[in-house]
This record gives sequence, C-alpha cells and structure tokens, in this order.
Amino acid sequence: DTEVTQTPKHLVMGMTNKKSLKCEQHMGHRAMYWYKQKAKKPPELMFVYSYEKLSINESVPSRFSPECPNSSLLNLHLHALQPEDSALYLCASSQEGGLLSYNEQFFGPGTRLTVL
Amino acid sequence: AQSVTQLDSHVSVSEGTPVLLRCNYSSSYSPSLFWYVQHPNKGLQLLLKYTSAATLVKGINGFEAEFKKSETSFHLTKPSAHMSDAAEYFCVVSGNAGNMLTFGGGTRLMVKP
Repeated sequence: DTEVTQTPKHLVMGMTNKKSLKCEQHMGHRAMYWYKQKAKKPPELMFVYSYEKLSINESVPSRFSPECPNSSLLNLHLHALQPEDSALYLCASSQEGGLLSYNEQFFGPGTRLTVL
Repeated sequence: AQSVTQLDSHVSVSEGTPVLLRCNYSSSYSPSLFWYVQHPNKGLQLLLKYTSAATLVKGINGFEAEFKKSETSFHLTKPSAHMSDAAEYFCVVSGNAGNMLTFGGGTRLMVKP
C-alpha cells in the first residue's frame, strides 16, 4: 500500500466550530507532515511528526492542534478558525530522514477547507 | 540554507510538442531533488527524484530531468506533451535537515490542442 488517505475531502465550518482532519498511511513511514496550500501557491509546512513526536511547529496559530495517536495516523484539530484559514490541507509521510538524502514525501489528496 | 527558483510561472505548449520546465536550486548540502505534479484540486504526485546516482533521471509518464551541478539546474523535460499533462509542477529540494522540503514557486503547464 503506497497511499496516503485523508478525510474528509471537503469541509465547511463556521468560525465557532470544532472539527478534525484525519490522515492515514500504511507504508511504515515514521515521519508525517501537515501542509497548508493556498490557491496558486506551493504548500507551506505546518507541522512535522517524527516517531510520533512533534518535531517541528512552523509557528502555527494555536487554533490548529496536531495529534499523532500512532505511527499510521495523524490528526489536525481545528477550533475557532478564521476565513483566511480556508485552504487545501495536505498530509504527507516519509521514511525517517535523519542522515538519509533519499527522503521523498508521499502526499495525500488533501482536504479542501472553507471557513465561513 | 537552500532555495529553489522555477524560472517560468506559466508555460504553454501545443499537444505533441516538447515540454521544458526550468528549475535552479541553491543548497549548502548535497541535495536530493524532486519534481512533483499537482492536478487541479488534487494532492502532489512524485514524478521523479534525483539522489546522487545517475544525473539523468527518468520518471513516470515520459518525464525526465537532468541534474547539472555546474549549472545548479534540474530542468524537467518531456518529448511530446499530452493534454493530460496540464497541471502545476513543483521543483523541490531537500537535504538540509533530512525530511524538510523546500518548494519552488510552481510552474503551470498549459497544453493546447
């Protein structure tokens, strides 16, 4: 299985709602990522989990809360979002990089989030 | 520090003609280089990767790229464009901290019938 899956595909939420995005991979990868992508822009890294521990937080506002329950699952909990948070949220996974240079990331199809 | 510059934000070709998408990089390390493709409202799909083996890399769907260290370039080519190639293409470099990727700004490829 060489696939990263994400649910839901689309999500519309109000600014007072709480929702969660889910990502799953079964490739045995030990690094997982959340990216945010605005229209016509490259993805921007939000969080990196390595061996189920948060290793990088790219100064993301606290209204985004990541969680890695196990090595195959990655969640992104959303609360009190703003309209400018509307974007495509991409999950990715890779073998643990470390000193390896061979560290491509496999991306999921994304969740299209709209905040009203 | 590392950076990636995709020299064209838009490229338009006719179906059946060659494709050239240009990418220059800067890296303090021996980089790994990738090309990803993104179709509208989809995730990113890996086209090909360079990891210090052969400098000419063949990928999926007839794409290939050549790593030229002296020119710090990693241009993507395809001999004959197909309508299904219309998409956004990202040149990406990694190597400074294992898992971290640096994306170029993207090139939108349009294919005319």
